[in-house]
Amino acid sequence: KQEVTQIPAALSVPEGENLVLNCSFTDSAIYNLQWFRQDPGKGLTSLLLIQSSQREQTSGRLNASLDKSSGRSTLYIAASQPGDSATYLCAVSSGGYNKLIFGAGTRLAVHP
Amino acid sequence: SQTIHQWPATLVQPVGSPLSLECTVEGTSNPNLYWYRQAAGRGLQLLFYSIGIDQISSEVPQNLSASRPQDRQFILSSKKLLLSDSGFYLCAWDSGVGTDTQYFGPGTRLTVL
Repeated sequence: KQEVTQIPAALSVPEGENLVLNCSFTDSAIYNLQWFRQDPGKGLTSLLLIQSSQREQTSGRLNASLDKSSGRSTLYIAASQPGDSATYLCAVSSGGYNKLIFGAGTRLAVHP
Repeated sequence: SQTIHQWPATLVQPVGSPLSLECTVEGTSNPNLYWYRQAAGRGLQLLFYSIGIDQISSEVPQNLSASRPQDRQFILSSKKLLLSDSGFYLCAWDSGVGTDTQYFGPGTRLTVL
């Protein structure tokens, strides 16, 4: 059974720092991995999608890497801003029909 | 562009009452549709998915059911709500082509009292 773990559970940093959020999964037979952002009381916003054949994806200040063989992904946020404060969720698709299995998330607070 | 709607945004219901949550997608055809639940202190869990009209698969045994009467409409229902049905319900869609990005709606906050 696929399980997804995210570390750390919470993170508080001053503005401007570079951050690394970690995601690990137990079964390397995945189709893709997605990183999402969730603001309090809101739905999920897709940040990056990495297909199983890819090693990384970049969007603006965000960079996500995937090491399928070791069951790990990292989300790198450069030059963090207070507007980056949110919960970041990692999800893998491994059961067909793009059914996603989520980690519990990392709650990020960036203070001025 | 594609958009996904959910309503109502919030709902407070007594135990034993029925439930109907609706999700609609605009700007695409034949999407895969999904219902997830985010319970307090727990992660997001897939409840149902659908690859077409009247084609529904359940992921976990529960007190809920889902229906897809139209291509871009997905409904989550219950005949009698339990306290444990409280949570944040999210609808999502993807293109159904390969392993595409999944897009989520704004969610419905359900409180069962």
